[in-house]
Amino acid sequence: QKEVEQDPGPLSVPEGAIVSLNCTYSNSAFQYFMWYRQYSRKGPELLMYTYSSGNKEDGRFTAQVDKSSKYISLFIRDSQPSDSATYLCAMMEGGSEKLVFGKGTKLTVNP
Amino acid sequence: DTAVSQTPKYLVTQMGNDKSIKCEQNLGHDTMYWYKQDSKKFLKIMFSYNNKELIINETVPNRFSPKSPDKAHLNLHINSLELGDSAVYFCASSPALGGIGVKLFFGSGTQLSVL
Repeated sequence: QKEVEQDPGPLSVPEGAIVSLNCTYSNSAFQYFMWYRQYSRKGPELLMYTYSSGNKEDGRFTAQVDKSSKYISLFIRDSQPSDSATYLCAMMEGGSEKLVFGKGTKLTVNP
Repeated sequence: DTAVSQTPKYLVTQMGNDKSIKCEQNLGHDTMYWYKQDSKKFLKIMFSYNNKELIINETVPNRFSPKSPDKAHLNLHINSLELGDSAVYFCASSPALGGIGVKLFFGSGTQLSVL
């Protein structure tokens, strides 16, 4: 079993939809959880950052971490065509220097 | 100004050649990385440096040799290129080495194609 599992999609939604992206993990030592967004032919950019369990909201984006279930989510409200990208989850153990990435989910938001 | 810049953007070369990719960051970060993204978009760490010191070497073949002349630069030299080296290589930097400081800022990538 890979340390981080992420459904690669692709996921296609209409503009304005609520999008839910998810990752599961097996390493209970992960404490830092991130979501990166990668546009085509670009480097990933940090979107959301969460330490330990709980929710974090930033505009239309909400990140959730459920450590008991080893499950993290990213919700996008009122999705826009500009949200079309690949979304990668990433995690790190406390005291570690190494991020472990999921394979990414490709999202297309259709106008 | 580009925060993390890497050159070249595209690199097409023959098997057996030696090539280098350069990376520079102007964010004042102490830590820099090389990541490899394969054809399935899986992003995996190769190396990390903190203040010019090698911190992570993720079982990468020794044909790959990173060099950090100062903390703003981390170059990647690859000897005897193989077909399997074809991938996108990303340079990244972060404010700190561990914990909450690990927030990666990525360059735009170098698409390496080995023929």
